[in-house]
Amino acid sequence: AQKITQTQPGMFVQEKEAVTLDCTYDTSDPSYGLFWYKQPSSGEMIFLIYQGSYDQQNATEGRYSLNFQKARKSANLVISASQLGDSAMYFCAMREGTHNFNKFYFGSGTKLNVKP
Amino acid sequence: DAMVIQNPRYQVTQFGKPVTLSCSQTLNHNVMYWYQQKSSQAPKLLFHYYDKDFNNEADTPDNFQSRRPNTSFCFLDIRSPGLGDAAMYLCATSTRLVAGSGNEQFFGPGTRLTVL
Repeated sequence: AQKITQTQPGMFVQEKEAVTLDCTYDTSDPSYGLFWYKQPSSGEMIFLIYQGSYDQQNATEGRYSLNFQKARKSANLVISASQLGDSAMYFCAMREGTHNFNKFYFGSGTKLNVKP
Repeated sequence: DAMVIQNPRYQVTQFGKPVTLSCSQTLNHNVMYWYQQKSSQAPKLLFHYYDKDFNNEADTPDNFQSRRPNTSFCFLDIRSPGLGDAAMYLCATSTRLVAGSGNEQFFGPGTRLTVL
């Protein structure tokens, strides 16, 4: 089974609107971390937000928030007030447990296009 | 600014001609990673170093080797590049796992490899 699933290959959103990018994960380890990265066309992976499995509250970083639903094993990224510069590829990733914790599992990504 | 630097940003090599990609970091992180990313795909972990300990992914071809002479530098050697090795190569770093910390990976800008 895939560790990280992103079911939206591509998304469109109107500038200034909010958008949700879906991510589900699969692990039996009680300790894990979930991450979202943005990859513009230039190629660099930019870290956006992190959620730990034991965190009680949803993570927020500026216009980014993570809708963490542990029972459903989902970690959706919400971008509020979309900007043209948000157009990029977005990857969800998971670090699993304390064994081999250095390994990140990446989803297949969602390409977001923000329309003016 | 502390960062992850990759040189060169673009590399062209010939089929079968060895090539070396370099990565340096000023973050003083223990862990360094090399990923291969093909167009519209998720990054694929090739190997990582935890300090001097080398960890190879099971499906990484023998054609790919790595060296880490010191904390700051890490090299990716492709001994006999094939057409299928044309990709973006991303270097990343992270700290050792710290309780309550994200332990996110910090990525360099990548080297785009073309094989003629």
